[in-house]
Amino acid sequence: GAGVSQSPSNKVTEKGKDVELRCDPISGHTALYWYRQSLGQGLEFLIYFQGNSAPDKSGLPSDRFSAERTGGSVSTLTIQRTQQEDSAVYLCASSFKGQPAGYGYTFGSGTRLTVV
Amino acid sequence: GQSLEQPSEVTAVEGAIVQINCTYQTSGFYGLSWYQQHDGGAPTFLSYNALDGLEETGRFSSFLSRSDSYGYLLLQELQMKDSASYFCAVTTGGFKTIFGAGTRLFVKA
Repeated sequence: GAGVSQSPSNKVTEKGKDVELRCDPISGHTALYWYRQSLGQGLEFLIYFQGNSAPDKSGLPSDRFSAERTGGSVSTLTIQRTQQEDSAVYLCASSFKGQPAGYGYTFGSGTRLTVV
Repeated sequence: GQSLEQPSEVTAVEGAIVQINCTYQTSGFYGLSWYQQHDGGAPTFLSYNALDGLEETGRFSSFLSRSDSYGYLLLQELQMKDSASYFCAVTTGGFKTIFGAGTRLFVKA
C-alpha cells in the first residue's frame, strides 16, 4: 500500500480481555517494527521483524505480549489479559531492508488502546 | 542501562533558529536519527547521521559527534507549522532503535 496501515485506530477493551492489533506495512518493506507510546512520552521499542522472523523480542514488556508476521507482510501484536498499564498508542513502522536501522522509518497512525 | 537525553521543551519565535540537543549513553551505536511528530500524528523521519559532522536537508540540519555521544537538530527560519515534538533516536545494534522522550517545540508569532 501507499503507507503503513494500522487497525483498529482506536480500541477500548475491558481489563482481562485479549486484543489484537494489526499492521500492514508498505509493500516491499521487509523490516517491521512495533513501538508503544504512552501519553506525552517517547517511543518504547517492543519488537522488530526482518521478514517473518523476530531476532530481538527483548522489548516485549511481559509474556502477555506476543507478535507474529506472516508472508513477510502483515504483522499482528497480541496482548493477552490486558491491564490498565497497557493503555497507550501502539505504533508500527516499516523500512527497506537495505536501509540502515533508524533511517527513514515510515510510521502508521497507530492504534490507541484504552483498557478500562 | 541505555538512555537518551533531550530537553523536554523549547520555545522560539517565528523566523528564528533553534537547536535541540541530544546526548546518549548506549551499549552500541550505529546511527542517530531525528523524527518529528505533530499532536495526534505519526512520527515522520527528518534526518540520519552515522558519521561525525553536519547533514543538511533544507531548513533542517543534524549534527553528530560520536566521541562526545552528542548530536543536535538545527531548525532554521522557524515556521508556525514546526511546532511539534522532536525525537532523537539511536540505533544500538541490529535493527533495534531506541527513542528519546522527545522535545516539545513551541513556535510563537
